[in-house]
Amino acid sequence: GQQLNQSPQSMFIQEGEDVSMNCTSSSIFNTWLWYKQDPGEGPVLLIALYKAGELTSNGRLTAQFGITRKDSFLNISASIPSDVGIYFCAGQPSNSGYALNFGKGTSLLVTP
Amino acid sequence: GAVVSQHPSWVICKSGTSVKIECRSLDFQATTMFWYRQFPKQSLMLMATSNEGSKATYEQGVEKDKFLINHASLTLSTLTVTSAHPEDSSFYICSASDRGGDNEQFFGPGTRLTVL
Repeated sequence: GQQLNQSPQSMFIQEGEDVSMNCTSSSIFNTWLWYKQDPGEGPVLLIALYKAGELTSNGRLTAQFGITRKDSFLNISASIPSDVGIYFCAGQPSNSGYALNFGKGTSLLVTP
Repeated sequence: GAVVSQHPSWVICKSGTSVKIECRSLDFQATTMFWYRQFPKQSLMLMATSNEGSKATYEQGVEKDKFLINHASLTLSTLTVTSAHPEDSSFYICSASDRGGDNEQFFGPGTRLTVL
């Protein structure tokens, strides 16, 4: 399937700073999902978005489903050291049935 | 929340042997399960989609005779890597959906396969 364009590839920030990452696609998606993956483990779902324009929060995390249905962003406010990990966006294309396409990931490092 | 387990967590095998990886949904029935492969520092790449009681649908470039998938029940899917070679060494992750796969997928913890 089509791989999403996710940026930035990596971020190195200080504790307390806000973080923003985004994903874009050339095709329309029905669903956008954001996952976090720790080394040697499977991805864990952070936020799921189902409607264009939808803005959803989960604690310090906020994500939005772009109005064009071709993009999404994830913000993390007041970062803490345990936010370290790789964040993946994933989208479900409108013509793919059930499959998810993943972005290449954003590696986040947070220094105390 | 929905929990998905994988067994084994890691496996080391000799080249030419076959390895079976199990994926189980522990607290829900999964009509659809997915198998992904992830190489170091790369993203997850979908290998195949497995529906209970039917043949798996493989992504382009994935050999169905090499990666045998069996989804025999609503809580178990297995991936068998046949005649494994060093280039098959990877992190294999399954996911399962409890709503026909149209929304959230819950991921297992992954299986690290190393082929010597």
